[in-house]
Amino acid sequence: KNEVEQSPQNLTAQEGEFITINCSYSVGISALHWLQQHPGGGIVSLFMLSSGKKKHGRLIATINIQEKHSSLHITASHPRDSAVYICAVKGGATNKLIFGTGTLLAVQP
Amino acid sequence: ETGVTQTPRHLVMGMTNKKSLKCEQHLGHNAMYWYKQSAKKPLELMFVYNFKEQTENNSVPSRFSPECPNSSHLFLHLHTLQPEDSALYLCASSQEWFQGGGTEAFFGQGTRLTVV
Repeated sequence: KNEVEQSPQNLTAQEGEFITINCSYSVGISALHWLQQHPGGGIVSLFMLSSGKKKHGRLIATINIQEKHSSLHITASHPRDSAVYICAVKGGATNKLIFGTGTLLAVQP
Repeated sequence: ETGVTQTPRHLVMGMTNKKSLKCEQHLGHNAMYWYKQSAKKPLELMFVYNFKEQTENNSVPSRFSPECPNSSHLFLHLHTLQPEDSALYLCASSQEWFQGGGTEAFFGQGTRLTVV
């Protein structure tokens, strides 16, 4: 079992829908990252958070340290949001960055 | 555009070939990383360089040889690879060593490597 689990693994949405991607982890962490990977392969860092909530444009990330859970929300989704969204935590016994397997999001027009 | 540039974007090589992947950043970052991304698997950290010194080698086979000649450039030299080494190889950089705190990393576009 991975130390970082994401759900769902695949998600298809219609343009304009509100989207939620979840990340649960089983280790103590100092920070959690949400990353976006486009079909070409490049990865963009969306958020880095250790508590509370952050907002950037239509993206919102929240984290609940007690429940070891984070969510990434996308409001008014658009086809250009189609990508793989990866949750990564820094922590565990080795204090290394541990990646989830990602959530493949497809937003249809 | 993240400021981290990788070349080539695609590479096909035979098992007896020697090739090199290049990563370049002019963000003034002190730490650079090589990651491997295989299909359906999480990202795997391969090497970390902090101020040009290798600080981590995550049990990577010796057929992968990193080189960091200066803080802006990172290479991954490839030699006698196996077909299972086919993957997306991503370079990243950060202001300070990613392990040292909640520092954000900037990733390149990756090199799609196919070993035949």
